[in-house]
Amino acid sequence: SAVISQKPSRDICQRGTSLTIQCQVDSQVTMMFWYRQQPGQSLTLIATANQGSEATYESGFVIDKFPISRPNLTFSTLTVSNMSPEDSSIYLCSVEGRAGGSNEQFFGPGTRLTVL
Amino acid sequence: GENVEQHPSTLSVQEGDSAVIKCTYSDSASNYFPWYKQELGKRPQLIIDIRSNVGEKKDQRIAVTLNKTAKHFSLHITETQPEDSAVYFCAANGAGGFKTIFGAGTRLFVKA
Repeated sequence: SAVISQKPSRDICQRGTSLTIQCQVDSQVTMMFWYRQQPGQSLTLIATANQGSEATYESGFVIDKFPISRPNLTFSTLTVSNMSPEDSSIYLCSVEGRAGGSNEQFFGPGTRLTVL
Repeated sequence: GENVEQHPSTLSVQEGDSAVIKCTYSDSASNYFPWYKQELGKRPQLIIDIRSNVGEKKDQRIAVTLNKTAKHFSLHITETQPEDSAVYFCAANGAGGFKTIFGAGTRLFVKA
């Protein structure tokens, strides 16, 4: 299994500002995933982050709003830019465990973001 | 892209009864179907998964079935207990890459 930590665990931000969320994994992984989970909703994939290349964004998400960095195989950041109250959500990073051929997703504890 | 639909959105059962949650997927290239349990305020955790070369898998009180032809899969929980109360998500993975697409979730209530 993979152990994933995220910082910050929660934050309250003013609209128009930006927040960078950090994700650290205890092992080297090729791909890291960023999800958003709005209150009472499912997990929506924002983007896939590969080390050494630009992130791949899902429909409805753009790099200008959610820039992602992936400087090495154990770390990634997601920035939520120019925030509005609609960005209030839990943001989770995730990696895929490949031990034994499993595709199991391991999730970080999440970052609870509230935008006022 | 892949689309996963999940039903019901809410399910209430009496302790000891069975619970069934159903999902369909759209992309026939998907080959891995996990189920996650998310308790309030916690991260999702895998409870069981199935690959497309298997029709059924069981782990104690939990079982998953897969019908590749119909593109649907189901989670079965028998002898439900209050601690089974949580939100359950189905997901599909493997089509067009390694990303996992989640269903909308089912909120399960087990009444003691």
